[in-house]
Amino acid sequence: GQQVMQIPQYQHVQEGEDFTTYCNSSTTLSNIQWYKQRPGGHPVFLIQLVKSGEVKKQKRLTFQFGEAKKNSSLHITATQTTDVGTYFCAAGNSGGYQKVTFGTGTKLQVIP
Amino acid sequence: EPEVTQTPSHQVTQMGQEVILRCVPISNHLYFYWYRQILGQKVEFLVSFYNNEISEKSEIFDDQFSVERPDGSNFTLKIRSTKLEDSAMYFCASSPLGRAENTIYFGEGSWLTVV
Repeated sequence: GQQVMQIPQYQHVQEGEDFTTYCNSSTTLSNIQWYKQRPGGHPVFLIQLVKSGEVKKQKRLTFQFGEAKKNSSLHITATQTTDVGTYFCAAGNSGGYQKVTFGTGTKLQVIP
Repeated sequence: EPEVTQTPSHQVTQMGQEVILRCVPISNHLYFYWYRQILGQKVEFLVSFYNNEISEKSEIFDDQFSVERPDGSNFTLKIRSTKLEDSAMYFCASSPLGRAENTIYFGEGSWLTVV
């Protein structure tokens, strides 16, 4: 089955430092989604990338989809304590609306 | 903003008992899902449901699991004979129809503890 790996598994950063998580798939993806899960919470959709090489920004968050559509990254500039949580990438299948396969997640801890 | 609602938020059950987890998807959504997350692990797909039937299921979704849409608003997950390893957070989710609108909206989850 489809494997979606993320690195690092955990990351501790000082508030104000940047943070990046990387997502890699064993297969070419039709789309990639990113979710944030706060401690004790549920996954919340952040963004979807569809096109090869696509870059999207949301305030301090920058999302990239690789040229080969097999990897993606999320970069947070100048982290804040509100960024704490686990960030999951999720690979959409070719049908798009059927299901997504979640990555292993990166747990971000921000030290004030 | 519309949201997916789930009940109960937490359920403790004895091994071997049947459990029904309930969900009310967002009203104009047509695709419904159940996912689960064992404590500290990633979110795992269980099943997707469209047009009153299962459209896809994972290897986790074996014969002890079933889903139902008993009326126009509820979507349920039944676990027939719970096992200890079924302890997890179960998330219901829904999405609108269409490839360009496949954002999945998650409920807050039902935490199931099997003892």
